[in-house]
Amino acid sequence: GENVEQHPSTLSVQEGDSAVIKCTYSDSASNYFPWYKQELGKGPQLIIDIRSNVGEKKDQRIAVTLNKTAKHFSLHITETQPEDSAVYFCAASSGTYKYIFGTGTRLKVLA
Amino acid sequence: KAGVTQTPRYLIKTRGQQVTLSCSPISGHRSVSWYQQTPGQGLQFLFEYFSETQRNKGNFPGRFSGRQFSNSRSEMNVSTLELGDSALYLCASSLTPTSSYNSPLHFGNGTRLTVT
Repeated sequence: GENVEQHPSTLSVQEGDSAVIKCTYSDSASNYFPWYKQELGKGPQLIIDIRSNVGEKKDQRIAVTLNKTAKHFSLHITETQPEDSAVYFCAASSGTYKYIFGTGTRLKVLA
Repeated sequence: KAGVTQTPRYLIKTRGQQVTLSCSPISGHRSVSWYQQTPGQGLQFLFEYFSETQRNKGNFPGRFSGRQFSNSRSEMNVSTLELGDSALYLCASSLTPTSSYNSPLHFGNGTRLTVT
């Protein structure tokens, strides 16, 4: 069935370093890929998204890349800060009724 | 613009009881989706409502039900609670149904349900 694999499950980086989280999807019809950040005690917050007609999108320190051939998409955070510490979820949607979410990556930015 | 509002934030119930959770979407959003979040299963789709109609349902038993009102507010009900129903229940709203266009989901902060 439809599946989104997300790696790594935990990631620790030094403040100022970059962090990369990778996702792989199985449904070739997927055409929309959002990323969510979930802080403790809060719901997931949309931080960036990309559609299948675009290979890369950037918003300040955050960027997402998409490789449709390999069915991979990745989140890149540069110049990490302590407030970037959270759980990050990727998701894929093909315009069907639901989003398929990855299992999450717990990012810890060490000061 | 106010975000998605879910009430209550926390609930403690006993096995066998029923519970109703409430969600107010972002103003102008007519689609409301519900998700269950647990450490073991991650984010699992429950159902989606648009214009007071259930558009789609995930793989959950019939004990899980919902409805949407004319003002787009939605409620979710779980009857005959089981210990395994303990989870964070998230509501998300979007402008259009996810089945018609990939409209971004905006989540509330959830209702933490504990079943004892």
